[in-house]
Amino acid sequence: AQSVTQLGSHVSVSEGALVLLRCNYSSSVPPYLFWYVQYPNQGLQLLLKYTSAATLVKGINGFEAEFKKSETSFHLTKPSAHMSDAAEYFCAVSDGGGKLIFGQGTELSVKP
Amino acid sequence: NAGVMQNPRHLVRRRGQEARLRCSPVKGHSHVYWYRQLPEEGLKFMVYLQKENIIDESGMPKERFSAEFPKEGPSILRIQQVVRGDSAAYFCASSRNPGQGNTEAFFGQGTRLTVV
Repeated sequence: AQSVTQLGSHVSVSEGALVLLRCNYSSSVPPYLFWYVQYPNQGLQLLLKYTSAATLVKGINGFEAEFKKSETSFHLTKPSAHMSDAAEYFCAVSDGGGKLIFGQGTELSVKP
Repeated sequence: NAGVMQNPRHLVRRRGQEARLRCSPVKGHSHVYWYRQLPEEGLKFMVYLQKENIIDESGMPKERFSAEFPKEGPSILRIQQVVRGDSAAYFCASSRNPGQGNTEAFFGQGTRLTVV
């Protein structure tokens, strides 16, 4: 079975500050890991994905995530937050079969 | 090059009515997934379909819910005799054959169902 835990349902940062959104996963098979972003009343947009290639994955909008097997983590980071980054972020895991298991989501607020 | 198209975007139904949610996948995608997002919660997997086949329905409620993906036309998620607890956003996603390493699923903008 697979599961995802996102630590912190709400994260608030100042504009220009580091963004760190935490994600830990559980999987009995080598996982595929994803970060999605959801803006209000919109669908989900893929930020980045890990598929067993490089452990440091770069995504869109300046985001990146590092796969750490020893820590079963896939935290999302961005060096400098922008106001437009305010949204809900979801971490998800898959066994490669297409079905995604999502975390509860983290709402990111960016203060001017 | 249209993405996943869901309609309607908003749907209001009275208790006891039927709700039909439609999803047209990305052109060339033959795998469709439905997810439900309750208020203040993450997305929960409901069902995974390939053309004319249900692959995994482990997340579907046992009663009143059904899904299909016919050979021609969109995928349909059907909810019979809706209750207030069915009010949620329903998202559809599509992908190529995931078994061939195509791990990315594209999501539609969702259908927001309100039961009054």
